[in-house]
Amino acid sequence: GAVVSQHPSWVICKSGTSVKIECRSLDFQATTMFWYRQFPKQSLMLMATSNEGSKATYEQGVEKDKFLINHASLTLSTLTVTSAHPEDSSFYICSAEGQVSRYGYTFGSGTRLTVV
Amino acid sequence: GESVGLHLPTLSVQEGDNSIINCAYSNSASDYFIWYKQESGKGPQFIIDIRSNMDKRQGQRVTVLLNKTVKHLSLQIAATQPGDSAVYFCAENSGGGADGLTFGKGTHLIIQP
Repeated sequence: GAVVSQHPSWVICKSGTSVKIECRSLDFQATTMFWYRQFPKQSLMLMATSNEGSKATYEQGVEKDKFLINHASLTLSTLTVTSAHPEDSSFYICSAEGQVSRYGYTFGSGTRLTVV
Repeated sequence: GESVGLHLPTLSVQEGDNSIINCAYSNSASDYFIWYKQESGKGPQFIIDIRSNMDKRQGQRVTVLLNKTVKHLSLQIAATQPGDSAVYFCAENSGGGADGLTFGKGTHLIIQP
């Protein structure tokens, strides 16, 4: 139980375009989902917290207009990187927290974004 | 700002030996700690967790020790196997399920045959 699916696993896009990443909780309802970013050989950094039906809360230094988060249902949150630039290339990982999840934070498998 | 950090970025151990990965945290309000294992290109995988009302917790081949006095956390892996090679992160939370995790810098554990 407590599986989080993330899609796509990798994506390459041209500079200036937008990319959408999906995060789904497959067997539980996720009241809260979190988005992290990880640069090579670095740790995970929390970007934002999203709750179903409300606006996301962004960490300091994260541009909310660039990283659009939509948590439309208890099983789906999306992160859209708008007008992507090469410096946005990173590993994006989501995690979900739900009342029935045995482990408070279950992570997705991550999305490798490369902007060329 | 407050953060969770690790003392050693790389740890190399012989297969079959025990390994200890250390982590220091600075947020005295932290009440929940988790160790994650991350293999290349994958998301973090839960290993073991511990709450601040405990000082030790054991799992299968793993033990987490928490010393709140010095704000120190450690992960012990017994009888290491090649599959244990990965980057290990400690993470902490002080806001319950509503808050995300603060991750440490990570330790790359290398198991030598």
